[in-house]
Amino acid sequence: DTEVTQTPKHLVMGMTNKKSLKCEQHMGHRAMYWYKQKAKKPPELMFVYSYEKLSINESVPSRFSPECPNSSLLNLHLHALQPEDSALYLCASSQDSLGQDEDTDTQYFGPGTRLTVL
Amino acid sequence: AQTVTQSQPEMSVQEAETVTLSCTYDTSESDYYLFWYKQPPSRQMILVIRQEAYKQQNATENRFSVNFQKAAKSFSLKISDSQLGDAAMYFCAFGTYKYIFGTGTRLKVLA
Repeated sequence: DTEVTQTPKHLVMGMTNKKSLKCEQHMGHRAMYWYKQKAKKPPELMFVYSYEKLSINESVPSRFSPECPNSSLLNLHLHALQPEDSALYLCASSQDSLGQDEDTDTQYFGPGTRLTVL
Repeated sequence: AQTVTQSQPEMSVQEAETVTLSCTYDTSESDYYLFWYKQPPSRQMILVIRQEAYKQQNATENRFSVNFQKAAKSFSLKISDSQLGDAAMYFCAFGTYKYIFGTGTRLKVLA
């Protein structure tokens, strides 16, 4: 089963709101990723968690706060966002680069959350 | 710096015909992976095919195959017997842990 789920599918929020995006995988993967994708552009990496620890932060503004409560879950907490933060937010997971299986670095993506900031 | 280039912003193919999408990359690494992902209007990024750089044999997955030229740093995707469901944005990606994506090629399939 190569399924990554994301909730909600759509989210509309004001600039003063606090909201969270959720991502879940049950493939036993130990690396999880957040990407931001603008229309007609490739995904841009935001954060990487490896074995539940933040390993990469691509200089993302602090109004985005990631959290990895356990190896299956990944959250992205949103606060005081700007209209330019409106985008598709994609979650992905992979086995992890420390693994021996040749599938180690293949990332499997969720369906995304379409975020609109008013 | 590592880069991935997709020089075809848009391609069209007649249903049942064959189309090739191009991708070139630049890296000084010797061991890495290359991927093609498909993103239909439904938005989900779907893995199409994967190639390990140390393998000389080109990867194939049913109607999808790649032409991997390591010396030329080229990684093209061939879609045979194109179907309406193949219409999507196709992204080439390079990476071992952190992906670098190309800018994408929008494929239209004409009935």
